[in-house]
Amino acid sequence: SAVISQKPSRDICQRGTSLTIQCQVDSQVTMMFWYRQQPGQSLTLIATANQGSEATYESGFVIDKFPISRPNLTFSTLTVSNMSPEDSSIYLCSVLGGTYEQYFGPGTRLTVT
Amino acid sequence: GQQVMQIPQYQHVQEGEDFTTYCNSSTTLSNIQWYKQRPGGHPVFLIQLVKSGEVKKQKRLTFQFGEAKKNSSLHITATQTTDVGTYFCAGEDSNYQLIWGAGTKLIIKP
Repeated sequence: SAVISQKPSRDICQRGTSLTIQCQVDSQVTMMFWYRQQPGQSLTLIATANQGSEATYESGFVIDKFPISRPNLTFSTLTVSNMSPEDSSIYLCSVLGGTYEQYFGPGTRLTVT
Repeated sequence: GQQVMQIPQYQHVQEGEDFTTYCNSSTTLSNIQWYKQRPGGHPVFLIQLVKSGEVKKQKRLTFQFGEAKKNSSLHITATQTTDVGTYFCAGEDSNYQLIWGAGTKLIIKP
């Protein structure tokens, strides 16, 4: 299984600002995913990020609001832009394992005031 | 669109009692995966079921995949405090993306 780290682990931000979340994996992986999870809720997929191609966004999520970079096979960033209190959530990155299971980072807890 | 329904939302049990959560898909799944998320933690992969009618066991946990590959269950025998958390099922679609159930929260009564 992959070991995944995320930075920051938590942050409190003012509305209108942007936050970039980093996801680092200890091995090379093709597919990475970014999720949002409200407390007590299930996971909502934001986008799939493959190295060397544009991220694929799910319905309800757009690149201008959630730009993603995937510069190499071990790293990705998700930016939450022009934040509002509705963006307060836990953001998780995950990677695809060898038999298509997913391994998750510890998450970034974002509060927007 | 494809949906995976999971019930119940919560289950309160006394320590030592059994726990079961059920998932049903609107369409046939290529496989189903189960994850556990401890309070304050992130989802952790438990198991993947691929074959019709498959049953897998991990110590006190029993996972089943239905014959039609549309439903699945997780049964925990004799729950312990270490079992506390939310259990999610997730069906895999053709793009390797997971369609997540709502989760079942296992709560041990004091």
